[in-house]
Amino acid sequence: SQTIHQWPATLVQPVGSPLSLECTVEGTSNPNLYWYRQAAGRGLQLLFYSVGIGQISSEVPQNLSASRPQDRQFILSSKKLLLSDSGFYLCAWGGGTYEQYFGPGTRLTVT
Amino acid sequence: QKEVEQDPGPLSVPEGAIVSLNCTYSNSAFQYFMWYRQYSRKGPELLMYTYSSGNKEDGRFTAQVDKSSKYISLFIRDSQPSDSATYLCAMNRDDKIIFGKGTRLHILP
Repeated sequence: SQTIHQWPATLVQPVGSPLSLECTVEGTSNPNLYWYRQAAGRGLQLLFYSVGIGQISSEVPQNLSASRPQDRQFILSSKKLLLSDSGFYLCAWGGGTYEQYFGPGTRLTVT
Repeated sequence: QKEVEQDPGPLSVPEGAIVSLNCTYSNSAFQYFMWYRQYSRKGPELLMYTYSSGNKEDGRFTAQVDKSSKYISLFIRDSQPSDSATYLCAMNRDDKIIFGKGTRLHILP
């Protein structure tokens, strides 16, 4: 069966510090991968998605970036965090036109 | 106009009541209509999906899609405290799924 891992579960970082969140998927190959951010009152915002290694599409201009160095690995990064980057970050893989399977999420607080 | 609109709530109902959750949308090209459930501090999980118009039932849950009105609904019968969660409607576009903001539901024992 497929499993999606995210770490860390929680993170507190100062403004201006770098960020690296990792997501890995097991049990499937060549999945579509997604990064979402969920902030209070703003719902689930799609940040990046990838249909293959090295193929990244950005949905929202921001100071975040994503990379997919391996088929089942998706990384979200920032060089300098802003207060507005606080939120719940979710990685997901796409199982079909109506299915997305989410990881446990990372709760990021930028102080 | 946003592609998907959903009242954020919160919605509080007594245990055993019928719950009605709704979303409207603007893109007539959507074909799959989904409902995801998200418990506090967890990732969303797919609850039900419907293709095109019509109804779909799964236990205490019924999903309805009215494409002519661009309106979808989720009904929960005999609601339980364990149904307390945020419910997100969602629709597909290309390789992406567009989510509503979610409705927070509280079932009061």
